Amino acid sequence: QKEVEQNSGPLSVPEGAIASLNCTYSDRGSQSFFWYRQYSGKSPELIMFIYSNGDKEDGRFTAQLNKASQYVSLLIRDSQPSDSATYLCAVKGAGGFKTIFGAGTRLFVKA
Amino acid sequence: EAQVTQNPRYLITVTGKKLTVTCSQNMNHEYMSWYRQDPGLGLRQIYYSMNVEVTDKGDVPEGYKVSRKEKRNFPLILESPSPNQTSLYFCASRFSRQGRTGELFFGEGSRLTVL
Repeated sequence: QKEVEQNSGPLSVPEGAIASLNCTYSDRGSQSFFWYRQYSGKSPELIMFIYSNGDKEDGRFTAQLNKASQYVSLLIRDSQPSDSATYLCAVKGAGGFKTIFGAGTRLFVKA
Repeated sequence: EAQVTQNPRYLITVTGKKLTVTCSQNMNHEYMSWYRQDPGLGLRQIYYSMNVEVTDKGDVPEGYKVSRKEKRNFPLILESPSPNQTSLYFCASRFSRQGRTGELFFGEGSRLTVL
């Protein structure tokens, strides 16, 4: 079992719709959870982080964490073509030494 | 400007020819790490360093070496490159102190081809 799993996609949504991206992780001691966006040929950039169970909202983005289910999600409201990218889920373990990434989900937002 | 700088950005080399990819950060981060990114496999950690003179293996360390003699620099060394090390490499850094978000800041990437 991979430590951090994501559906590779591609996930295709129409402009203005909600895009829902999901991630599961295996280390129950994980403390910190991140969503990075990576445009083709570019480096990853952080868009959201979450530490506590529940929802965290920042503009059009909402991160959701359920530690009991070992599940993290990212919702993108009012999706725009500029949101088309690969979204990487990352988990920092209990020791804080490693940040493990999922393989990423490719998102396409159709105009 | 706060940044992580990698060099070279692109490199084509041949099997067995030693090479070094440099990484430097100007944000006074304690933690630095190297990842490789391959299609379908995502970012896999090669080595990381919690601070000067402290390094440890990630998930795919075979064929690589690192050193951390100064806080700002974390070079990746391929002593005898092989074609399976053809990949896109990212250096990243962050604070490791309590109270920080743990956000990783990435360099622009180094695309390496080993023939």
